[in-house]
Amino acid sequence: AQTVTQSQPEMSVQEAETVTLSCTYDTSENNYYLFWYKQPPSRQMILVIRQEAYKQQNATENRFSVNFQKAAKSFSLKISDSQLGDTAMYFCAFMKHEVLTFGKGTHLIIQP
Amino acid sequence: DVKVTQSSRYLVKRTGEKVFLECVQDMDHENMFWYRQDPGLGLRLIYFSYDVKMKEKGDIPEGYSVSREKKERFSLILESASTNQTSMYLCASRDSGRASTDTQYFGPGTRLTVL
Repeated sequence: AQTVTQSQPEMSVQEAETVTLSCTYDTSENNYYLFWYKQPPSRQMILVIRQEAYKQQNATENRFSVNFQKAAKSFSLKISDSQLGDTAMYFCAFMKHEVLTFGKGTHLIIQP
Repeated sequence: DVKVTQSSRYLVKRTGEKVFLECVQDMDHENMFWYRQDPGLGLRLIYFSYDVKMKEKGDIPEGYSVSREKKERFSLILESASTNQTSMYLCASRDSGRASTDTQYFGPGTRLTVL
């Protein structure tokens, strides 16, 4: 079974700073997908970024990028120029065979 | 845009009641999922469905059942609600076709309180 670990239950940074959220996972699979989802106070889960394990290039979406280290089974999310609207719960997730396994989440607070 | 809707944002029920949580998606997705979300535990999969009338147990199916009579609708049923089923329930759908991005799209969630 896959497990996903997010070791930072809560983080707080100042607006405009860069912040990195960590995620590690455990699997014996070789082909899989990894995701970061954001859940703001409105509760709607929103996809932030996705990464295919067979791609070596790290995914990037505007201010959001990942550092994918397959051998280390690490998938961290970097948010550049953080904004107040980035305040949310962030969940790392692993997908294999249609099923997502989530980490317990990191509560990110952006301070003005 | 994919739209996943859930029948209620907030629901309060009594212990022992039968509870139905409804989820509808408008993108003709084959796969649908029910999760519960609890503080400090993240999201845990209850049941999922590959297609109409098909269902698979997730990690925590005990105390729940599901129904998928139509492709767009996936219902979660609590046969006899208990206080330990007080939680946030999230529905999701996913396209399993060749062009799929494997992304699951989520509904807004239903916060269920069982008294």
